[in-house]
Amino acid sequence: KNQVEQSPQSLIILEGKNCTLQCNYTVSPFSNLRWYKQDTGRGPVSLTIMTFSENTKSNGRYTATLDADTKQSSLHITASQLSDSASYICVVSARGNNRLAFGKGNQVVVIP
Amino acid sequence: NAGVMQNPRHLVRRRGQEARLRCSPMKGHSHVYWYRQLPEEGLKFMVYLQKENIIDESGMPKERFSAEFPKEGPSILRIQQVVRGDSAAYFCASSPTQGDWAKNIQYFGAGTRLSVL
Repeated sequence: KNQVEQSPQSLIILEGKNCTLQCNYTVSPFSNLRWYKQDTGRGPVSLTIMTFSENTKSNGRYTATLDADTKQSSLHITASQLSDSASYICVVSARGNNRLAFGKGNQVVVIP
Repeated sequence: NAGVMQNPRHLVRRRGQEARLRCSPMKGHSHVYWYRQLPEEGLKFMVYLQKENIIDESGMPKERFSAEFPKEGPSILRIQQVVRGDSAAYFCASSPTQGDWAKNIQYFGAGTRLSVL
C-alpha cells in the first residue's frame, strides 16, 4: 500500500474557480510534507514545505494545510488560472533519512 | 544559475542495449537523488549519492542498474541490457546539504524519458 494517497485522482475546473486537493499519509516518524507542481513533460517544482509544527503555508494562490494528528494535508488553489493545469504531488519525508514518499498526484485541468 | 540539467531529454534503446542518463546538479549542490516514474505512477526513489559516494541505493534494482557521482562531472545512471519494463521517466534531483533536512528542498531536473523498443 502506498504511504501517500491523494484524491481526487483528477479533476476539471473552470478558470477562476477554487479547488482543494487532499493528501493522506502513513509515513512515520513524520518530518515534513511538501507539495510539488509538475507540468506535463517537466520535473516537479516545489510549492510549499511544512514541518510538524506548521499547519498552514501559502505560496501566492496556493495554500497548503497540515494536520499531523490525522496525517492529512490539503492544497487549496484560489482563483484558478489556465497555467494551474498540472499534476500536484504530495511528498512526505520521514525523520532520519533522506528518502521521500511520493503520492501519485492530483491531475488538475483548468478550462476557460 | 542553471537548474538541475538532465540529458538526454529523450532516449530510445533497443532491448539488450545500454542506457546512460546524465545529471548535472545545481551549482553548489553536492547531493544527488535519482527517481523513476512509470506511467500513471508516482515517483519512486532509486538512489542517493554524494560526490564519490553512494549513500542509499535501497531503491535500485539488484541487477543491471548502477549509479555514480564522480568527483568531476555529472552523475550517471546506467542501465545495462535494457528491457521494455525499463521504459519510464527518470528524474534527478539535487540539494545543497544534508544538514537541516526539514528545510532541505530537492530541486528536480526535467527528466529523461527512456523508451525501450
